[in-house]
Amino acid sequence: DIQMTQSPSSLSASVGDRVTITCRASQNINNYLNWYQQKPGKAPKLLLYAASSLQSGVPSRFSGSGSGTDFTLTISSLQPEDFATYYCQQTYGTLQATFGPGTKVDIK
Amino acid sequence: QLQLQESGPGLVKPSETLSLTCTVSGGSISTSSYYWGWIRQPSGKGLEWIGSIYYSGHTYYSPSLKSRVTISVDTSKSQFSLILSSVTAADTAVYYCATHRISRPAYLDNWGQGTLVTVSS
Repeated sequence: DIQMTQSPSSLSASVGDRVTITCRASQNINNYLNWYQQKPGKAPKLLLYAASSLQSGVPSRFSGSGSGTDFTLTISSLQPEDFATYYCQQTYGTLQATFGPGTKVDIK
Repeated sequence: QLQLQESGPGLVKPSETLSLTCTVSGGSISTSSYYWGWIRQPSGKGLEWIGSIYYSGHTYYSPSLKSRVTISVDTSKSQFSLILSSVTAADTAVYYCATHRISRPAYLDNWGQGTLVTVSS
């Protein structure tokens, strides 16, 4: 099974900060990597798919990069509504889906 | 706009069977664009994909839950359902249904609001 790790597990940041979250797969998953945002009490929301493709309606301050085993999610200028938990997800296997453990972004 | 809504009992006894239904509106469940998936999240913990079903009935399950999970679809009612057998306290979680878009890579792009299921006697 493909395992996913994320770092850091949590971070504190201020509005306007540039934030980077890292996700690592236990084996090569090409670009089969998605990112989700989840706010407390709400369902997750798809931000990016295929490592770097922005889902419709998602602000352009969110970007993703990477291929193979190492991926990053970057928020270029953190906004108040961005304080949330972020999950990466691999879907390399046929209709399989494994999530990373999440990274909580809170207010410094 | 596609909408999904989970429904089912909020309390299940240990060793019994958890049963949930997801009702799809705003679009056809018989679409070639999606599988229809179930995901769960224990309180304060991360997300776990349970399995997904195509409108034809073809299913994919998480290897860790496969022995206890059955997902079915009723296209006439625009619903798909989750059955999880022999539940324990570890199955207490918010259960979400979602569209599992068929693409490379696949991704989950429309989610229900989630429903809390507690396993307790």
